[in-house]
Amino acid sequence: GAVVSQHPSWVICKSGTSVKIECRSLDFQATTMFWYRQFPKQSLMLMATSNEGSKATYEQGVEKDKFLINHASLTLSTLTVTSAHPEDSSFYICSARDETSGPSFSYEQYFGPGTRLTVT
Amino acid sequence: KNQVEQSPQSLIILEGKNCTLQCNYTVSPFSNLRWYKQDTGRGPVSLTIMTFSENTKSNGRYTATLDADTKQSSLHITASQLSDSASYICVVRISNFGNEKLTFGTGTRLTIIP
Repeated sequence: GAVVSQHPSWVICKSGTSVKIECRSLDFQATTMFWYRQFPKQSLMLMATSNEGSKATYEQGVEKDKFLINHASLTLSTLTVTSAHPEDSSFYICSARDETSGPSFSYEQYFGPGTRLTVT
Repeated sequence: KNQVEQSPQSLIILEGKNCTLQCNYTVSPFSNLRWYKQDTGRGPVSLTIMTFSENTKSNGRYTATLDADTKQSSLHITASQLSDSASYICVVRISNFGNEKLTFGTGTRLTIIP
């Protein structure tokens, strides 16, 4: 199956600093990528949809100025957590949609391994 | 409200035994349903994907069923192994006029004990 990587796999930062997380589709091009956040023992919550060459679409309640998304190429999307606070500590997962896998109803989203962010 | 509910929340079984996980959804309009396995601290990995017209699909020791009329799905694991210990997430995709969205269940935490 397709491979999606994330970097870093874990990061610890001080409150008030910014952290950038990269999401790459390694063997396919992804016009659309997604960013999720997952708190312990909870399911994935969609934060935003990242569109190559255009602005990201944020879910209700997600601050776009705090979670900056850049999708500069067909294989890379980045999520920057600006002015991080301890409540931003979470597991961030990206996914990339493979739109070459058949008709639209069968598009597969491949998930990255996740990035554990801890803000102290 | 579109929801995906899974049961049980957690399950502990002996290695070698079989188990069945349940997923009920109220999502509409339905596009497809996926079961994912998520190991602790890792991203989800797809096990099966089922469309409206499919009733059952197998992937090795994993067999998923779908009843689109009752909006229920199950994931059956046979001859469980220690490596099956993980969270299993039911995800339903809705597709409406070109817009798609995945609705995630809260997952079932499965623990296999030797």
